[in-house]
Amino acid sequence: GAVVSQHPSWVICKSGTSVKIECRSLDFQATTMFWYRQFPKQSLMLMATSNEGSKATYEQGVEKDKFLINHASLTLSTLTVTSAHPEDSSFYICSADRTQTGAGSGNTIYFGEGSWLTVV
Amino acid sequence: AQTVTQSQPEMSVQEAETVTLSCTYDTSESDYYLFWYKQPPSRQMILVIRQEAYKQQNATENRFSVNFQKAAKSFSLKISDSQLGDAAMYFCAYNTDKLIFGTGTRLQVFP
Repeated sequence: GAVVSQHPSWVICKSGTSVKIECRSLDFQATTMFWYRQFPKQSLMLMATSNEGSKATYEQGVEKDKFLINHASLTLSTLTVTSAHPEDSSFYICSADRTQTGAGSGNTIYFGEGSWLTVV
Repeated sequence: AQTVTQSQPEMSVQEAETVTLSCTYDTSESDYYLFWYKQPPSRQMILVIRQEAYKQQNATENRFSVNFQKAAKSFSLKISDSQLGDAAMYFCAYNTDKLIFGTGTRLQVFP
């Protein structure tokens, strides 16, 4: 099946620094990727939609200058948390949209393994 | 705006029994997709089942099946012959151009 890889799985950074998380679709091209944030015991909150070759679309309430998203190729999207603070500590997870044609056509979304960010 | 509601924060079932998880959604769209995802403690999101809104036939995947009622905007998941490995968080999700999740249901399976 389709695979989406996210790296790093765990990262600890100092307050005020920036950290980058990568999301790769390994065996398919993804023109659209999504970034979510998940707080403990809560659901996934969509942060932004990442579109290859264009600017990301951010959800209401998400600071675009703090959470920089770049989708430079059809297989890679990155999320950079800038000037990180302890309240940015969370589980971040990406997904990639695979659109299939033919029998059983439709879109299916595949998720990366997620990244735990701890800001100290 | 589209919303997804899961009214059962927690559910429990005995091994080998059947359990149904509820999900309702709100949308003005006519063409969309619905999903159930499983999230075990590892946090990996695992696709359980998918339903296209234009299909009247309910989707099934082995022990997992859905009851899709488009007019009622209801999309419940039935797990038959429950196994210990089914214990996890289950999220219902709605998709047109982006995936919107419900709040989740924690399923416990007792031996």
